[in-house]
Amino acid sequence: QVQLVQSGAEVKKPGASVKVSCKASGYTFTSYYIHWVRQAPGQGLEWMAMIDPSDGRTPYAQKFQGRVTITRDTSTSTVYMELSSLGYEDTAVYYCARSVSGTDYWGQGTLVSVSS
Amino acid sequence: DIQMTQSPSSLSASVGDRITITCRASQGISNYLAWVQEKPGKAPKSLIYAASSLHSGVPSRFSASGYGTDFTLTVSSLQPEDFATYYCQQYDGFPWTFGQGTKVEIK
Repeated sequence: QVQLVQSGAEVKKPGASVKVSCKASGYTFTSYYIHWVRQAPGQGLEWMAMIDPSDGRTPYAQKFQGRVTITRDTSTSTVYMELSSLGYEDTAVYYCARSVSGTDYWGQGTLVSVSS
Repeated sequence: DIQMTQSPSSLSASVGDRITITCRASQGISNYLAWVQEKPGKAPKSLIYAASSLHSGVPSRFSASGYGTDFTLTVSSLQPEDFATYYCQQYDGFPWTFGQGTKVEIK
C-alpha cells in the first residue's frame, strides 16, 4: 500500500534551518510528484513547492523562493524539504503529498515549532 | 497567482442534511480542481480530483462538479465523520493554491 512517512517533530530557534524527510513506499517513486504543504496553527493549507522525482525539477511558491530547498534520493525513495532562516511564522505542520492529478496520498505531517 | 474563493466560510448542519460548498477561481482552470478534507490533528484527505472524480474509497455521498471558474462540492447526506474543514485546490498552474476553507460544524 502507498505510504508517505515523514520524520518527527522539530523545535528550532529563529534563524535556524530545518530539514524534513518524506519516505515513500508502495509505488514507483519516480512516477508521481511530491508536494510540500504547510498549515500554521488556526490557518488554512498553503502550498510550498513540488519535486518531480524523475528529474529533480522543483517549482517553488514565490513566497518561499530562496528559503526552501526540495531534494530527493531515488535510492531510498525519500524527498527532503529544507527551510532556512526560520521565523516564528514558520511554526506549522508540514505535509508531503503525492500527486499525479491533484494530490492523493498525504504524509502524517511534521510539526515544526520555532521558539527562542 | 490564481485566487480560490470558497463560500461559505463556515456552515452549521445536522446529520442527514445535504450541504453544498462553492469554490470560484480567479481565472479559468479547466477541470484542474481538487477537494481536500481536513480534520484537527489528522493529515488532510484528498476526496475529489479533476473537478468531479472521487478518489478510491471516498463515499458516494460526496459529489462534485464544475469547470472553468465555478465549482461545487456536495455531500448528499451528512454523516458524523463528515464534520470537518473542506478546501478546494487548483492545480492548473504553479503555485498551486487553496481556498480559505469551509468549516462544516454540527448544528
